[in-house]
Amino acid sequence: EAGVAQSPRYKIIEKRQSVAFWCNPISGHATLYWYQQILGQGPKLLIQFQNNGVVDDSQLPKDRFSAERLKGVDSTLKIQPAKLEDSAVYLCASSLGLKDEQFFGPGTRLTVL
Amino acid sequence: AQSVTQLDSQVPVFEEAPVELRCNYSSSVSVYLFWYVQYPNQGLQLLLKYLSGSTLVKGINGFEAEFNKSQTSFHLRKPSVHISDTAEYFCAVRIIQGAQKLVFGQGTRLTINP
Repeated sequence: EAGVAQSPRYKIIEKRQSVAFWCNPISGHATLYWYQQILGQGPKLLIQFQNNGVVDDSQLPKDRFSAERLKGVDSTLKIQPAKLEDSAVYLCASSLGLKDEQFFGPGTRLTVL
Repeated sequence: AQSVTQLDSQVPVFEEAPVELRCNYSSSVSVYLFWYVQYPNQGLQLLLKYLSGSTLVKGINGFEAEFNKSQTSFHLRKPSVHISDTAEYFCAVRIIQGAQKLVFGQGTRLTINP
């Protein structure tokens, strides 16, 4: 069974630029999550989708971050404009449903200069 | 609100020695408890989980954890570690209502010395 796929694996940008990350969840998984993991900290949930609807985005900085999950499969997370403090690993995870085990992708490491 | 505290940011141990990684949590609602492992440049992998029943749970790679409700703790243990156990370990709680959100601790870096 293929796991959660993410791209790119690494990205370096300058502050005020924009960037987008892509996630392909495990086939059949209805729930998709985006986490931000700052160096030395645990992952923090940014947004959670159930199919193509948002379940929780309470910790998403909506002035600069946006995410979508068109057709309830793939998802993209965008940052515009990026700030230095956005440097982190962005993890995507998926699960069959809200109450099921989450499977994590390898993450995208973002460096903002 | 829920919070998870991992009491040690780094734990160095010698190979074949026992290890305990400590985790305490705080929550006003019922939660499930998890331990995840993260190897360098990889995503998180589930080690074990406590949902209900026996308070001693066994996971992959020889790890086990004990849920202590009175002390609100969920410490992770392994009787004999290997070099391959070198990784970051995260304790997490999942809120048993609504969106079933996962809240993670800060992580403990386990370093195994030969």
